[in-house]
Amino acid sequence: EDQVTQSPEALRLQEGESSSLNCSYTVSGLRGLFWYRQDPGKGPEFLFTLYSAGEEKEKERLKATLTKKESFLHITAPKPEDSATYLCAVLNQAGTALIFGKGTTLSVSS
Amino acid sequence: GAGVSQSPSNKVTEKGKDVELRCDPISGHTALYWYRQRLGQGLEFLIYFQGNSAPDKSGLPSDRFSAERTGESVSTLTIQRTQQEDSAVYLCASSFRPSGANVLTFGAGSRLTVL
Repeated sequence: EDQVTQSPEALRLQEGESSSLNCSYTVSGLRGLFWYRQDPGKGPEFLFTLYSAGEEKEKERLKATLTKKESFLHITAPKPEDSATYLCAVLNQAGTALIFGKGTTLSVSS
Repeated sequence: GAGVSQSPSNKVTEKGKDVELRCDPISGHTALYWYRQRLGQGLEFLIYFQGNSAPDKSGLPSDRFSAERTGESVSTLTIQRTQQEDSAVYLCASSFRPSGANVLTFGAGSRLTVL
């Protein structure tokens, strides 16, 4: 069964304090791993797609990496505006839908 | 439109009533998805439409749930005889091609509260 597990559930950082979010996955034949950001009261917003182990993508203070079993979202020198819930997802075996983890809620204080 | 539009944004109903939730995808997007997000939970896949193909209904939790899509435009998610456990945010998303080839753009969701 396709499964995505994210940790930690919640993370509190001081502004400028770098850290990483983890996403471990179980799927037969990875066809894509996706990171989304969700702000309160809004739908998820796409950040990155990774397809193969060793791949990395960057956007501003965020960098996503992928291994054969997990992905990390690295946040460098975060700012309060980076506060949000970060969701990880994989494409299901049928290729028809994304299977999401429960997310990591990040709070960055100044 | 510029984004995925969902209505109503908020719906409060009594247990046992039927509700309809509407989704207007981005023009030209052939794929449309419905997800459910319960408080503190991840997104739960409900149903997927792709062009004129038969929809993937494998995520619908019971026969009280159904969805329709008119061509490659508007979709309606219907929940019959609502129960308190149906309370959640229902998110619609669309993509230009099937999710394996492109990213999903989500609407802001319809928050359903069943009393």
